[in-house]
Amino acid sequence: TQLLEQSPQFLSIQEGENLTVYCNSSSVFSSLQWYRQEPGEGPVLLVTVVTGGEVKKLKRLTFQFGDARKDSSLHITAAQPGDTGLYLCAGGLTGAGSYQLTFGKGTKLSVIP
Amino acid sequence: GAVVSQHPSRVICKSGTSVKIECRSLDFQATTMFWYRQFPKKSLMLMATSNEGSKATYEQGVEKDKFLINHASLTLSTLTVTSAHPEDSSFYICSASGTRAGTDTQYFGPGTRLTVL
Repeated sequence: TQLLEQSPQFLSIQEGENLTVYCNSSSVFSSLQWYRQEPGEGPVLLVTVVTGGEVKKLKRLTFQFGDARKDSSLHITAAQPGDTGLYLCAGGLTGAGSYQLTFGKGTKLSVIP
Repeated sequence: GAVVSQHPSRVICKSGTSVKIECRSLDFQATTMFWYRQFPKKSLMLMATSNEGSKATYEQGVEKDKFLINHASLTLSTLTVTSAHPEDSSFYICSASGTRAGTDTQYFGPGTRLTVL
């Protein structure tokens, strides 16, 4: 069973501050996705990283996939109230035609104006 | 990006009735669809994986006779909650994956809030 440990579980910060969310595993994943979910809605894909050491930027969000493809991080610069939501990391393990994802438990981010 | 729709968005039903939830991939062919259940303030719990034209694969502890899944086409999967009970009340979310969406990437529907009275 592949497990993804996501931390922190809860994060409350002031507008303008920076933050980092971590996803760690002892397993190697073929890809790593980050999603953001708002209450009452489905998760929205932010990014997919597939190469060890890969760094992707999406405006103020920076995503990194570990060299060994076992961990990932999401860094938000100058957080805004609109960044508030549940952030989920999910590791993909392609094999035998199944594209199942292993989800972390999520990070509930609150950005206070 | 790939778009997945879900219908209905909310449903309230009486205990003992059945409820059908539809999941559609609107702009790509979904070779695989997934059904999740999410409890308040919790992460997603995978219920089952379905490949088009095949029987769904259910996760341990999920009753296949209670949660009927049909994936009859590359753009539609349905989840039917049979003989619903209050403990089935939850947020159900589907996702779809296919060649256009990428190998591991899943695109999620907006979810269906089921309330069983």
